Amino acid sequence: KAGVTQTPRYLIKTRGQQVTLSCSPISGHRSVSWYQQTPGQGLQFLFEYFSETQRNKGNFPGRFSGRQFSNSRSEMNVSTLELGDSALYLCASSLLARPGRSTNEKLFFGSGTQLSVL
Amino acid sequence: AQTVTQSQPEMSVQEAETVTLSCTYDTSESDYYLFWYKQPPSRQMILVIRQEAYKQQNATENRFSVNFQKAAKSFSLKISDSQLGDAAMYFCAYRSKGKLIFGQGTELSVKP
Repeated sequence: KAGVTQTPRYLIKTRGQQVTLSCSPISGHRSVSWYQQTPGQGLQFLFEYFSETQRNKGNFPGRFSGRQFSNSRSEMNVSTLELGDSALYLCASSLLARPGRSTNEKLFFGSGTQLSVL
Repeated sequence: AQTVTQSQPEMSVQEAETVTLSCTYDTSESDYYLFWYKQPPSRQMILVIRQEAYKQQNATENRFSVNFQKAAKSFSLKISDSQLGDAAMYFCAYRSKGKLIFGQGTELSVKP
């Protein structure tokens, strides 16, 4: 069974550009969430999607957006890139989901997309 | 707001020895879950162990166990018989309403 796949693995952009990152969850998983990891801020929650609907959102500006498709694949978009957006972006999927509720279900993470903004 | 604190940025352990990583959290919620994740150089986050807050019994997974002290809001990870492959960044995480809140991480090195 294939794991969570994130593409691309590495990305270099310049300030002001926009970028789209892709995440394919494990087959059968309907919940996808995104995290940003930086040396300074650590791991921070971006959003959670379930059945094509955003169920939860972290404290990020509107330049960060996402969506989920009917096959559960998800994309996140960052517009008007800033130097501070340089980070590892991690996607995680899970099988069972009680959207918006606490749960101990196992999250499976991808290897991330390393975004560098120059 | 919930917070997770890992006070040890780095830890070191001799191969085959035991090491304990500390984690404290702050919350006013009663329904939550706690996790330890491992992030090796490959960057992929791997679940090590999880604990339901309503369970008194400490979780155990092979060489990994936790000491969950709910009143003290403490959730430490003990790694027994440390192996070279245990070297990684370890993150403590609190799950609330669908999102994980992570600590800053502890980098564990294992000496042969």
